[in-house]
Amino acid sequence: DTEVTQTPKHLVMGMTNKKSLKCEQHMGHRAMYWYKQKAKKPPELMFVYSYEKLSINESVPSRFSPECPNSSLLNLHLHALQPEDSALYLCASSHGGRNEKLFFGSGTQLSVL
Amino acid sequence: TQLLEQSPQFLSIQEGENLTVYCNSSSVFSSLQWYRQEPGEGPVLLVTVVTGGEVKKLKRLTFQFGDARKDSSLHITAAQPGDTGLYLCAGAAGPYNQGGKLIFGQGTELSVKP
Repeated sequence: DTEVTQTPKHLVMGMTNKKSLKCEQHMGHRAMYWYKQKAKKPPELMFVYSYEKLSINESVPSRFSPECPNSSLLNLHLHALQPEDSALYLCASSHGGRNEKLFFGSGTQLSVL
Repeated sequence: TQLLEQSPQFLSIQEGENLTVYCNSSSVFSSLQWYRQEPGEGPVLLVTVVTGGEVKKLKRLTFQFGDARKDSSLHITAAQPGDTGLYLCAGAAGPYNQGGKLIFGQGTELSVKP
């Protein structure tokens, strides 16, 4: 199994809603990531979990809250988002070694109304 | 701050033409990766280059890592409409669990017309 699975594929939410994005991998990877990507732009790193511990937070607003329940799962909890948060949210995983080849999921296309 | 400058940003060509995408930096990277992304999907790794001067071929795609490990190029021969997508270079400065990050270039949007 070489897939990173993300759900849901599409999400529309209001600014007062609370929702969660989910990500799962069964490749035995020890590093997992959340990226945000605007159309035709490169992915922007948000969070990195290494061995289930948060190792990098790229100064992301607190309305985004990551969670890593175990080595295979990664969640991103969303609350009180703004319209400018609308984007493709990508989850990725890697072995955790030096060269960091990333395996990306298909993403969740989020629209905040 | 480590930056990767990718050029060109946009490229529209006819089927059968050749093209080269460049990825340049003033910093040294331990490795450089190339990804291709289609609309509505996540990036997919094409290749990783690790050794300075390394050349890797993937069918019609040729990847090169500069001798000083500061730059890389992607050359596509006889482009086909299926090559259309966003091409991203990304440099690894160190392992994540030691604060290292994968630095992405700005991307090259390639359109190959039949």
